[in-house]
Amino acid sequence: EVQLVESGGGLVQPGGSLRLSCAASEFTFSDYAMHWVRQAPGKGLEFVSSISSNGGSTYYVTSVKGRFTISRDNSKNTLYLQMGSLRPEDTAVYYCARVGGGNWVGPFDYWGQGTLVTVSS
Amino acid sequence: DFVMTQSPDSLAVSLGERATINCKSSQSVLSNSNNQNYFAWYQQKPGQPPKLLIHWASTRASGVPDRFSGSGSGTDFTLTISSLQAEDVAVYYCQQYYSSPFTFGPGTNVDIK
Repeated sequence: EVQLVESGGGLVQPGGSLRLSCAASEFTFSDYAMHWVRQAPGKGLEFVSSISSNGGSTYYVTSVKGRFTISRDNSKNTLYLQMGSLRPEDTAVYYCARVGGGNWVGPFDYWGQGTLVTVSS
Repeated sequence: DFVMTQSPDSLAVSLGERATINCKSSQSVLSNSNNQNYFAWYQQKPGQPPKLLIHWASTRASGVPDRFSGSGSGTDFTLTISSLQAEDVAVYYCQQYYSSPFTFGPGTNVDIK
């Protein structure tokens, strides 16, 4: 069974940085594009960032562009989200998700359990 | 960016009755090249991550009960739960994956009447 396990969340002060990780297993990680999606407490889902299977293409939603960096290490089967200049409005559970079908575009067919990031002084 | 809207915001349905959720995209998600709608429905139960229910507008994901069905094309889509079960209490989100950013609808909360 496909597994995605996020880690790295926690409490950080405004302006601070944090790196999230998503460890993948039970599938060929290097064949799949991946996403980060976040959910503020009590709110809906917000797409954050995407990365292609080989890491050569990335995409960011406008609200995080220039502050977040998505990357991956296919040798370690791990996806990352480096978050900087954090703001209180970045407080959310961050999920990693796999793109079904192996293409850049497709349904998000598997999701991790999420890791909570809280930005507060 | 594509804007996704859902209706209703919430609904309460008796056990065994039909539940219907609508979603509208601000732009068409139908591809001219392959005639596929780049559209999905997700179910999220409290304290859990979202789960893919329906993709390509009408294809049930693996293991999803056949009481769940999706329909629609272009800009207007519907998720139907034909006979609501207690385990279907959840928030349901629509999503387009036609164009980045891959936007979600605001969600519809489904509960038991």
